[in-house]
Amino acid sequence: SAVISQKPSRDICQRGTSLTIQCQVDSQVTMMFWYRQQPGQSLTLIATANQGSEATYESGFVIDKFPISRPNLTFSTLTVSNMSPEDSSIYLCSVQPPNQPQHFGDGTRLSIL
Amino acid sequence: GDSVTQMEGPVTLSEEAFLTINCTYTATGYPSLFWYVQYPGEGLQLLLKATKADDKGSNKGFEATYRKETTSFHLEKGSVQVSDSAVYFCALRDNFGNEKLTFGTGTRLTIIP
Repeated sequence: SAVISQKPSRDICQRGTSLTIQCQVDSQVTMMFWYRQQPGQSLTLIATANQGSEATYESGFVIDKFPISRPNLTFSTLTVSNMSPEDSSIYLCSVQPPNQPQHFGDGTRLSIL
Repeated sequence: GDSVTQMEGPVTLSEEAFLTINCTYTATGYPSLFWYVQYPGEGLQLLLKATKADDKGSNKGFEATYRKETTSFHLEKGSVQVSDSAVYFCALRDNFGNEKLTFGTGTRLTIIP
């Protein structure tokens, strides 16, 4: 199964700043996903990031707030822009290897002061 | 749209007790069903899955059966251990090619010695 490395594992940021989260996979995968898990809540899909195309955002999420890059088949970044306390969450990336269930990284625990 | 309704938590049980966490779903067509587990401070791990009606997924003593007639995928374990304390998420994936996961709200399970 795919091994996913997500960085940073946690961060505390100031209001109004931006943070870029990295997701590295040990094998080539076409489909990668970014999720948000707000405190005490379930996971909500932010966007699907496929290599070679623009990310597809879910309702309620926009590119200006959550720009995503997918430069190759093993790497993606999610930026949380102009952060506010409401952005305090766990952000998780996942990958969909062929014929396998989704595998998740350990997440980035983000707190905004 | 797709949805997953999961038993409200938190759930507290004594060690060696029998566990059931209910999960029902609404989906178009025939989705694949999953249980993911999130241990404290970690990301999500796939616990078990079932891809068609009457399939039984099993892992680490946990079981769940895909019941199309009741649109359910209840998680069970005959004798829980303290190490099973975690948050459990029921999820579905439609099989129309977009591979998106829809999650339930999660159930926090605490096992006391």
